[in-house]
Amino acid sequence: QKEVEQNSGPLSVPEGAIASLNCTYSDRGSQSFFWYRQYSGKSPELIMSIYSNGDKEDGRFTAQLNKASQYVSLLIRDSQPSDSATYLCAVNRGSGTYKYIFGTGTRLKVLA
Amino acid sequence: NAGVTQTPKFQVLKTGQSMTLQCAQDMNHNSMYWYRQDPGMGLRLIYYSASEGTTDKGEVPNGYNVSRLNKREFSLRLESAAPSQTSVYFCASSEYGSSYNEQFFGPGTRLTVL
Repeated sequence: QKEVEQNSGPLSVPEGAIASLNCTYSDRGSQSFFWYRQYSGKSPELIMSIYSNGDKEDGRFTAQLNKASQYVSLLIRDSQPSDSATYLCAVNRGSGTYKYIFGTGTRLKVLA
Repeated sequence: NAGVTQTPKFQVLKTGQSMTLQCAQDMNHNSMYWYRQDPGMGLRLIYYSASEGTTDKGEVPNGYNVSRLNKREFSLRLESAAPSQTSVYFCASSEYGSSYNEQFFGPGTRLTVL
């Protein structure tokens, strides 16, 4: 079992729809959870971080965390073609630890 | 505020050549990291530096060495490059001890070893 698992996709959604990206993790000690967006040929860009169970909203993005079920998700509302990218999920055991475990990413395609 | 910068952006080496990848951050972060990214493998940690003066091995350290020159700079050296080291290399930084231990990445170095 991979430590952080994501469906590789591609996930195709029409413009204006909600894109739902999911991530599961195996380490129950994980405390910090991150979503990165990576455009082709570019570096990962942090878009959301979440530390507590529940939802965290930032503009069109909502991160959802369920530690009991060991999953974290990212919702993108009103998806735009510019959201087409690979989304990486990353987890960390929290302050004082240096091991960030990354998933291999989900490729999102927003169709105009 | 440039964030994390890396040089060079692209590099082509022949097998056996050496080179140093440079990384600098201006966010006053304590911790710095070197990753490589290969298709289907995700990001893998090569080395990290928790704070100035310390370095530790990550998941895939063989064939690499690092130097934490000061708080801002963290370099990665390939002593004798091999084709298996063809990859995209990313430097990152974070604030050790912060509750919000977010990690920020540089633009990357695309390395090809022939």
